[in-house]
Amino acid sequence: RKEVEQDPGPFNVPEGATVAFNCTYSNSASQSFFWYRQDCRKEPKLLMSVYSSGNEDGRFTAQLNRASQYISLLIRDSKLSDSATYLCVVTLGGYQKVTFGTGTKLQVIP
Amino acid sequence: GAVVSQHPSRVICKSGTSVKIECRSLDFQATTMFWYRQFPKKSLMLMATSNEGSKATYEQGVEKDKFLINHASLTLSTLTVTSAHPEDSSFYICSATGTQGPEAFFGQGTRLTVV
Repeated sequence: RKEVEQDPGPFNVPEGATVAFNCTYSNSASQSFFWYRQDCRKEPKLLMSVYSSGNEDGRFTAQLNRASQYISLLIRDSKLSDSATYLCVVTLGGYQKVTFGTGTKLQVIP
Repeated sequence: GAVVSQHPSRVICKSGTSVKIECRSLDFQATTMFWYRQFPKKSLMLMATSNEGSKATYEQGVEKDKFLINHASLTLSTLTVTSAHPEDSSFYICSATGTQGPEAFFGQGTRLTVV
């Protein structure tokens, strides 16, 4: 089993739709969780951290379920500019080990 | 957010030569740096993890004699692709974690083309 798994997609959704991505992790000792966004031919950029209590930033909501070992990202009212690959990231051991999921590709269609 | 600077952004080299890529943390101390490569339309692949002052830990299948990693200070790590071949052509990205918090921040990436 991979340490961090994501559905690669692509997710093709119309503008204005709500879309959700899940990411599962295998190591229950994982400590910190993040979502990154990567545009084509660019480096990944931090989108948001994921907290146990759940957190929201505008149209984006991230949640962590430690019992089931998954994190989720919800995007509401999708914009064309949201088209990108979304990577979930899990850290372990005081940030000594950072593991990326393979990414989920989102394409928002006009 | 924290700034990680990677240089050069693009490099073209001849087969058999070596190429050095630098990754610097500009406003924090990077205790751990990660080196990735990414092929077109593929995901990031972790090559190695380096902690300042220690030897890098390479992922399975990554040749440590081919991809030399040095992390001699808390703000600089280098990746040297030795005796480069066309199949080494790829996008190489570094990321760093450290005193800025748990997030990993990425360099801009280096597009290496070996001809």
